Amino acid sequence: DSGVTQTPKHLITATGQRVTLRCSPRSGDLSVYWYQQSLDQGLQFLIQYYNGEERAKGNILERFSAQQFPDLHSELNLSSLELGDSALYFCASSRYEGYEQYFGPGTRLTVT
Amino acid sequence: QKEVEQDPGPLSVPEGAIVSLNCTYSNSAFQYFMWYRQYSRKGPELLMYTYSSGNKEDGRFTAQVDKSSKYISLFIRDSQPSDSATYLCAMSAGNDMRFGAGTRLTVKP
Repeated sequence: DSGVTQTPKHLITATGQRVTLRCSPRSGDLSVYWYQQSLDQGLQFLIQYYNGEERAKGNILERFSAQQFPDLHSELNLSSLELGDSALYFCASSRYEGYEQYFGPGTRLTVT
Repeated sequence: QKEVEQDPGPLSVPEGAIVSLNCTYSNSAFQYFMWYRQYSRKGPELLMYTYSSGNKEDGRFTAQVDKSSKYISLFIRDSQPSDSATYLCAMSAGNDMRFGAGTRLTVKP
């Protein structure tokens, strides 16, 4: 158990809908990262927050947004969902930026 | 050219074999190097991390970093069927972290 929690574990929704994925980092970790992993694909970095501030953006679509709250948990919002958004979404946290990241169990999103 | 190159495999070895997994990179600023293991549909699990060049050993696992060659390796001794997974290398410079595509390993009993 990495200490990173993600909810929900599974999510099934229809095209055009909006969902919110939640992540709680390890105790004491200030940085949160979001990744997308499609079937048999590598990890695609989406976005990073550090102590509430956005620090880096990867290949994140404009339909997606995220934030990190004062208690350091983070939410990833996905809107106008398309079939191609079906994937595993992982959250990771690290003590500081650039340090080793610890991953959560992921949220499996299925868009039908 | 990708910043981090990792052979996706698949790599299949018999139980007890020594496994060598490798990554090359192009950004000389990378100083922190990590290896993750990912079982199917699960979150990547941090196996080892090293700072700068050198070797680090943890049980059956040894990580090596050669910054002059921009080459990192993970060796698994006495491989077990439970080691069957995808192994991802990762490296960072400040808040810039990059992952390899992962190598799928199967250890056959």
